[in-house]
Formats: sequence, structure tokens, C-alpha cells
Amino acid sequence: AQTIHQWPVAEIKAVGSPLSLGCTIKGKSSPNLYWYWQATGGTLQQLFYSITVGQVESVVQLNLSASRPKDDQFILSTEKLLLSHSGFYLCAWSRDWGASQNTLYFGAGTRLSVL
Amino acid sequence: GEQVEQLPSILRVQEGSSASINCSYEDSASNYFPWYKQEPGENPKLIIDIRSNMERKQIQELIVLLDKKAKRFSLHITDTQPGDSAMYFCAANGDNSKLIWGLGTSLVVNP
Repeated sequence: AQTIHQWPVAEIKAVGSPLSLGCTIKGKSSPNLYWYWQATGGTLQQLFYSITVGQVESVVQLNLSASRPKDDQFILSTEKLLLSHSGFYLCAWSRDWGASQNTLYFGAGTRLSVL
Repeated sequence: GEQVEQLPSILRVQEGSSASINCSYEDSASNYFPWYKQEPGENPKLIIDIRSNMERKQIQELIVLLDKKAKRFSLHITDTQPGDSAMYFCAANGDNSKLIWGLGTSLVVNP
């Protein structure tokens, strides 16, 4: 069975500080990986996707970056947090290329508060 | 453009009644329409989806209807239970393997 693990569960950070969020998928080789952001009570906004190691595509520009250093690992980061970065960050994976055609399996998420 | 409109934003129903959520999309090339349920503090989970080669799909108490001509699709929950209370998101596929999400519907089932 596949499992997806996100860390940390929650973060409280100061404006201007750096951030690194992680996501690991076990039990599935070459998963398609996604980062989503959700404001409190808001909809889901896709930030990045990756179909293979070392390749990441940006969907929206939010002063964030993503990397896929290993097949099973997806990292979201920024050097300087903004207040607007607060929210719920969700990592997700899908079996085949194209989230548009396949179920997205979300991690438990990281709740970020920027003060 | 790429937008999915979802209505209503809040839906309150009595236990045992039906609940309906409606979505409309803009891209005529969209051919995949999933519905996700998100309980408070939890991650979204797929509950049902429909592809453009179908007009209706049912899984237990969940029914999805798709009208490609009108570019509309809808979720119907029959015999609602308190456990159905949650946020529901519709989505439609767009360019670059992107899902375009609706703004969500907060469903409250009153016992």
C-alpha cells in the first residue's frame, strides 16, 4: 500500500524567515507529485507538479520554489516568508501522468502560520 | 479562461433529505470532473468522478450528472447523514495537467 507523509505537521514562522516543507511517498515508484495551497476556508490552488526526479513545473508564482531531489521526495521552500504564505500546504500524488485524469491522494498537510 | 464556478457556497439540509451542489466550467475540452470531500482539519479525498463519455454515475448515495452541452455538472447526495457534513469541491481538468477547482461548498446536515 502507498503512503504519503508530510512534515512538519504545523509551523509558526516569522515574516522574512526561510521555510522548508517536505513530502515523502512510499510504495509507489515514479509517482506524479503535486504541491497545493489552501487558505483557511478556501479552495485548493495547485502550486507545482513533478513527473520525474529533478523536474518541477510551476503553476503559480507565489515566491515559493519546489524541488524533487529523489523519486519519492518533494520539497517546498522559500528563503523569505510573506504573511500571505499562511495557510494549509498539501502534498499529493497520482499514479499516472496527468492529475486531470487520475485520483489525487493528498497527504495530511502542513498548517503554516506566518506572523 | 479556466474557471469552475461552484454553488452554493453554503448548504444546510435536514438529515434524510437530499443535497445538490452545482458546478459549471468554461473549457469545452475538459473531460474529467472529480468531486472531493474535505472534513474539518483533514485532507481532501476523492468521493466520485465522472468522465465526458458518461452523463450519470452513481456510487451508493452519491450521484453525479454531467451536461457537456451546458458545461455543467452536479453532485447529488441522497438521504444525507450528519457524517456527510464537510466541504465539497468540484474540479475540471484544464491545461498542463492542472485541475481547476471550484471554491467549495460547505454542507451542513442538521440532525
